[in-house]
Amino acid sequence: DVVMTQTPVSLSVSLGGQVSISCRSSQSLVHNNGNTYLSWYLQKPGQSPQLLIYKVSNRFSGISDRFSGSGSGTDFTLKISRVEPDDLGVYYCGQGTQYPFTFGSGTKLEIK
Amino acid sequence: QVQLKETGPGLVQPTQTLSITCTVSGFSLTSYYMQWVRQTPGKGLEWMGFIRSGGSTEYNSEFKSRLSISRDTSKNQVFLKMNSLKTEDTGVYYCARNWELGYWGQGVMVTVSS
Repeated sequence: DVVMTQTPVSLSVSLGGQVSISCRSSQSLVHNNGNTYLSWYLQKPGQSPQLLIYKVSNRFSGISDRFSGSGSGTDFTLKISRVEPDDLGVYYCGQGTQYPFTFGSGTKLEIK
Repeated sequence: QVQLKETGPGLVQPTQTLSITCTVSGFSLTSYYMQWVRQTPGKGLEWMGFIRSGGSTEYNSEFKSRLSISRDTSKNQVFLKMNSLKTEDTGVYYCARNWELGYWGQGVMVTVSS
């Protein structure tokens, strides 16, 4: 199985600040069809996960441009700029390139 | 408006079978993959499997032959059935739409306990 490793486990940021979350996969996430199925999700307290970014850098419908994704191969990053109170929660990366699909263990974002 | 809602038993005894229904609205099951993901204290988010728009299925081998995913397109419902439940199957079970899991249900909490 593809292991997804997220760092850091948690981080604290001031409102208006910027943060980066790293996600590394144990194998390349480039699919045979040329796409890279790496997604980012946010799970707010008491809610279901919600999709933020898909295929590395594509923002899902209605997602603020404060969220951006980058990376390739096995190394990916989620950046959140101008952090707002509603951004707190746990961020997960997930891969849909190889079966079984797998997720990282999460990065908890706290607001200072 | 895309909506997904899971309904299930809440409490299941060990060795018994879990049955969860995902009722959707705002789209057709014949146009989208539907996936099942669970979140457990021990393993976090785990992909369980999906049913394609055409009706074929793919499963996480972790669940071996315990898991079955099916649907009734006329009722806009997707079903998860998993047998031989263990206490470590306790968690929240979600259905979600499409390859990237763009839309999720609210989840249903399942406790496996005698």
